[in-house]
Amino acid sequence: AQTVTQSQPEMSVQEAETVTLSCTYDTSESDYYLFWYKQPPSRQMILVIRQEAYKQQNATENRFSVNFQKAAKSFSLKISDSQLGDAAMYFCAYSSQGGSEKLVFGKGTKLTVNP
Amino acid sequence: GAVVSQHPSRVICKSGTSVKIECRSLDFQATTMFWYRQFPKQSLMLMATSNEGSKATYEQGVEKDKFLINHASLTLSTLTVTSAHPEDSSFYICSARRRYGYTFGSGTRLTVV
Repeated sequence: AQTVTQSQPEMSVQEAETVTLSCTYDTSESDYYLFWYKQPPSRQMILVIRQEAYKQQNATENRFSVNFQKAAKSFSLKISDSQLGDAAMYFCAYSSQGGSEKLVFGKGTKLTVNP
Repeated sequence: GAVVSQHPSRVICKSGTSVKIECRSLDFQATTMFWYRQFPKQSLMLMATSNEGSKATYEQGVEKDKFLINHASLTLSTLTVTSAHPEDSSFYICSARRRYGYTFGSGTRLTVV
């Protein structure tokens, strides 16, 4: 079974600075998807960024980018120019490309942004 | 686009009663819906996968007779917590698979008193 590990329960960053959240995963599959989701205090799950395993190029979405290392099974999220609104729980997640396609989540990292 | 509407947002019920939570896909057809449970300050735990027109697939350790899932149409999936007890109090979230990711409902906070 696939597992996702987030080793940082909490992280903090100064406003306008850059922070990197770590994520590793374990799988025997070659094709899959990786995601970072944000859950603010409202508890609404918001997609931050998505990466397809077959793509070597790292995904980027404005201030958010990932460092995808397939061989190392690592998928870190970099947030540049951090804003107060970035404060939230961040979950790394994995899904298979076929089959049930269920999402497997890491335990999450609570990000605090200090003004 | 790709909105999943989840209701109710919060519900308080008495111990022993049943509660139904609905998730509707408003602008797309969701052949598969996922139901999660989230305890405070914890991650989302998958409870079951519901497929339109067929029986739900439950994760190990989840009581299928307590958490009844129905996915009778391509736009509606329901989770019924039967004979609820205080330990069933939690945050329940549904999610639908989309082409480029997953869309989540806004969640239901269930409190059993």
